[in-house]
Amino acid sequence: KQEVTQIPAALSVPEGENLVLNCSFTDSAIYNLQWFRQDPGKGLTSLLLIQSSQREQTSGRLNASLDKSSGRSTLYIAASQPGDSATYLCAVKRSGANNLFFGTGTRLTVIP
Amino acid sequence: DVKVTQSSRYLVKRTGEKVFLECVQDMDHENMFWYRQDPGLGLRLIYFSYDVKMKEKGDIPEGYSVSREKKERFSLILESASTNQTSMYLCASSLIRLGQDGYTFGSGTRLTVV
Repeated sequence: KQEVTQIPAALSVPEGENLVLNCSFTDSAIYNLQWFRQDPGKGLTSLLLIQSSQREQTSGRLNASLDKSSGRSTLYIAASQPGDSATYLCAVKRSGANNLFFGTGTRLTVIP
Repeated sequence: DVKVTQSSRYLVKRTGEKVFLECVQDMDHENMFWYRQDPGLGLRLIYFSYDVKMKEKGDIPEGYSVSREKKERFSLILESASTNQTSMYLCASSLIRLGQDGYTFGSGTRLTVV
């Protein structure tokens, strides 16, 4: 079964800092990987979707990379802002499956 | 803008009640999913559907059933609510098409069973 791990579980940084969130998965036979953001008590907002054939995706200040062979993805956030404070989740779709396997998330706090 | 709408943000129900959670998407997506999210356990898949009237059990289907009579609507049913079903319930949908198969989530329903 696919296991998805996110380390650290929580992270606090001062405003303006660049930061990296990590996601690792045990089965490299993935179809795609998706990064989400979740604000307290709310649903998930999709940030970036990377197909297995891609190595990275960018959207604004966010950049996500994928290394299938090592079972890792990173989410890079440039020039962090207090509004970036949220929980960030990565999720992996296994080849041949319809559903996603989620990590337990990294709770990010950006201090003004 | 594409949307997944869950009918209720907050629900309080009594033990033993039959509970319906509704989810509607306006994106013509084939796949629809129900997850529950609990602290320390993350998101767990309850059921999903890849077509009208089709359904597949996820990781934790016990105590739940689903209905998909129309492509845009996917309902989660708690046959007899219990306190251990108190949770945040999240609906999602996705296309099957390669490269456009990311998930879109609704805003969630916080269910409390008393």
